[in-house]
Amino acid sequence: LAKTTQPISMDSYEGQEVNITCSHNNIATNDYITWYQQFPSQGPRFIIQGYKTKVTNEVASLFIPADRKSSTLSLPRVSLSDTAVYYCLVGLMNTGFQKLVFGTGTRLLVSP
Amino acid sequence: DTAVSQTPKYLVTQMGNDKSIKCEQNLGHDTMYWYKQDSKKFLKIMFSYNNKELIINETVPNRFSPKSPDKAHLNLHINSLELGDSAVYFCASSHGSATEAFFGQGTRLTVV
Repeated sequence: LAKTTQPISMDSYEGQEVNITCSHNNIATNDYITWYQQFPSQGPRFIIQGYKTKVTNEVASLFIPADRKSSTLSLPRVSLSDTAVYYCLVGLMNTGFQKLVFGTGTRLLVSP
Repeated sequence: DTAVSQTPKYLVTQMGNDKSIKCEQNLGHDTMYWYKQDSKKFLKIMFSYNNKELIINETVPNRFSPKSPDKAHLNLHINSLELGDSAVYFCASSHGSATEAFFGQGTRLTVV
């Protein structure tokens, strides 16, 4: 399993764009990158997943450079409700969720 | 309708007691999990069941015993509770090969 490294915490203000970078130097050829979000007192929830280049959905964008050794989760114009812990996970696409390992995550605090 | 529901949400009990946490999912998934999140917020998988069969059993004391009466339910029974068992326990479910899982709201267990 590829190990991931993320900043422990980040601070931002409402309306700003937030970019959280995750390092996964040992990512394997068939590994996908998945991000989860956990609000206080709730279980984690899936945000976005990608393999290379850029993926965008209604919540976030995921940027993956050509070497795939890192990825950046981008949250446009954050609000107070985006305060949460964001986890980056790496693993094979079709081998099941149980193969993904949660790291320490990045605690994002959005202030007014 | 709640997709993955756990009961109870809070559980306070004395050392040495036996307690159970129940989990039900209405998503039609075939794989269910139990995770433990400790005070440092690390999320660790404990057990995983696929079609009622145990497929993952991490290094967990055998005081913890999962039971899956059917694909939609995965209960966790804990014998002889210890102070160190205090944590938030999350139930989750997914399709067997998918990397997106749905988590319950968590059960905050406090052993006194």
